Amino acid sequence: AQTVTQSQPEMSVQEAETVTLSCTYDTSENNYYLFWYKQPPSRQMILVIRQEAYKQQNATENRFSVNFQKAAKSFSLKISDSQLGDTAMYFCAFSTSGTYKYIFGTGTRLKVLA
Amino acid sequence: NAGVMQNPRHLVRRRGQEARLRCSPMKGHSHVYWYRQLPEEGLKFMVYLQKENIIDESGMPKERFSAEFPKEGPSILRIQQVVRGDSAAYFCASSLVGASDSPLHFGNGTRLTVT
Repeated sequence: AQTVTQSQPEMSVQEAETVTLSCTYDTSENNYYLFWYKQPPSRQMILVIRQEAYKQQNATENRFSVNFQKAAKSFSLKISDSQLGDTAMYFCAFSTSGTYKYIFGTGTRLKVLA
Repeated sequence: NAGVMQNPRHLVRRRGQEARLRCSPMKGHSHVYWYRQLPEEGLKFMVYLQKENIIDESGMPKERFSAEFPKEGPSILRIQQVVRGDSAAYFCASSLVGASDSPLHFGNGTRLTVT
């Protein structure tokens, strides 16, 4: 069975500091996609970053970057220069290439402190 | 370019009533997905539809739940005879193509409360 595990239910970080959210997954597939979604209090699910498993280079989007370790099945999200607007639930998700079902982790609640 | 539109944002139903949740995908998207989020949990896949067709409903409860995506109009998730356990946030997503190559774009969800 394919699973996604987020072992940190809650985290906090000071404004302007850097924080890393962890995610591990389990699959026997070789081709897949990994995602981080942000869910602020408004409840909207916002795509933060996406990684294709066949790419060795880690994806980056402005202040957000990932550390993708395929052998270890690890996909952590690093947020640099944290801002108050980054306060949200963050969900790690996985999808096998050619399918449409996303498997989500249980989320990490991140609070950025002023 | 409007995103995925869901309504209502909040829906309160008494046990035994019917709940209808609507979703209009992003412009140009013909693939729609419904996910359910129980409190303190991640989203779980329910059903995948293309225009007028249900492609995969493996995540849908066998009874009381149905979904449609007609040729004209929004996709509808229908829950008949709601029970307290149906209380959750229901998210709709759409994509340009029906594979993981095209990321899902989610709506703001409908929070269903069954009293």
